[in-house]
Amino acid sequence: QQPVQSPQAVILREGEDAVINCSSSKALYSVHWYRQKHGEAPVFLMILLKGGEQKGHEKISASFNEKKQQSSLYLTASQLSYSGTYFCGTEQKMAGNNRKLIWGLGTSLAVNP
Amino acid sequence: NAGVMQNPRHLVRRRGQEARLRCSPMKGHSHVYWYRQLPEEGLKFMVYLQKENIIDESGMPKERFSAEFPKEGPSILRIQQVVRGDSAAYFCASSRAGGDGYTFGSGTRLTVV
Repeated sequence: QQPVQSPQAVILREGEDAVINCSSSKALYSVHWYRQKHGEAPVFLMILLKGGEQKGHEKISASFNEKKQQSSLYLTASQLSYSGTYFCGTEQKMAGNNRKLIWGLGTSLAVNP
Repeated sequence: NAGVMQNPRHLVRRRGQEARLRCSPMKGHSHVYWYRQLPEEGLKFMVYLQKENIIDESGMPKERFSAEFPKEGPSILRIQQVVRGDSAAYFCASSRAGGDGYTFGSGTRLTVV
């Protein structure tokens, strides 16, 4: 049930682009993306709710392909501040209106000058 | 808007003592989630609570660990008779509804000596 993230780690030079993928063997209702810097709490980036939906947050955008059960996070013209570990969370429906996220293991991104 | 408040930030306990970790969710959020994170690892789900209810505790060890979210006051994660293996960062997150984005607290770093 745990989503699979790839790659495990990425090293970029400032200004380069990267793509982080998140896939699941289960049907996806939504995908959440978070970034965590070392020693800090994860910070919410975006939620994608519909098949084929794309969203953007500064120079970070994401797509969600419901049919393929996967989401991709796109980081363009990376900045030093983008360094951190990126987690995707896939939604698991429970009884009633309750849902919880199942987290991937994370993708470590390092942006160097 | 104070965000999710966790305290203490750092907690040191001797083996066999009890640890109490507190989490006050964001104003208007009624869903609380607790996670455990070891260094360089992902977020491991522990428990999902709403006011006075445990929705899902499938990630909680059967012994020594308990959680509550009373009608009044913060959510409490309680670890009895701590062992060295309990040393980790414990994050609390809250959301307005089950499928909304999570807001994380800064975490409590528990060290068992």
